[in-house]
Amino acid sequence: DVKVTQSSRYLVKRTGEKVFLECVQDMDHENMFWYRQDPGLGLRLIYFSYDVKMKEKGDIPEGYSVSREKKERFSLILESASTNQTSMYLCASSKPGTGQQETQYFGPGTRLLVL
Amino acid sequence: RKEVEQDPGPFNVPEGATVAFNCTYSNSASQSFFWYRQDCRKEPKLLMSVYSSGNEDGRFTAQLNRASQYISLLIRDSKLSDSATYLCVVKVHDYKLSFGAGTTVTVRA
Repeated sequence: DVKVTQSSRYLVKRTGEKVFLECVQDMDHENMFWYRQDPGLGLRLIYFSYDVKMKEKGDIPEGYSVSREKKERFSLILESASTNQTSMYLCASSKPGTGQQETQYFGPGTRLLVL
Repeated sequence: RKEVEQDPGPFNVPEGATVAFNCTYSNSASQSFFWYRQDCRKEPKLLMSVYSSGNEDGRFTAQLNRASQYISLLIRDSKLSDSATYLCVVKVHDYKLSFGAGTTVTVRA
């Protein structure tokens, strides 16, 4: 069974703190993604990675960085958390391909509150 | 302009009813199309891909209109378990999917 796990379900941090969100997938997928989801805005892509040590900016990379040292693990880093980064963060993974093959499988999400 | 736009709803329908809704996309070069389903406080999951000729999966029918750049989803014989938010998803180019904000459907007994 496909499995994407995220390190925390809920997280509360203070403004200016460095925050690490970890994502692990056990499907040997090449592609991994970080999104944030906010009411009325849908999912917005922050960063993605199509291979180990490779990363590409998504639509809203400002204030975030990522790390992919191993195929199964993709980390999102908030260098200095701000209140406007309070959100639901979703990690996903997929195989390269087309149609059904490129289904993205999501983790359960991390609800981050920055005070 | 958003890449993918959806009517947020909510669509409140009785059990057994048919409900249909659309989404529009802005990039005419979009390659692939999907509907994902997201239950309250859960992660999105693929419901079905959308093919050019239209396709069915049980009680769900998806249609694609490339000329008008919209995708539709129709749910027949609605069940209580169909209550969810339905996300319209468009593949704009390699690796990248664009998600609509979702259409909420509530099926009542």
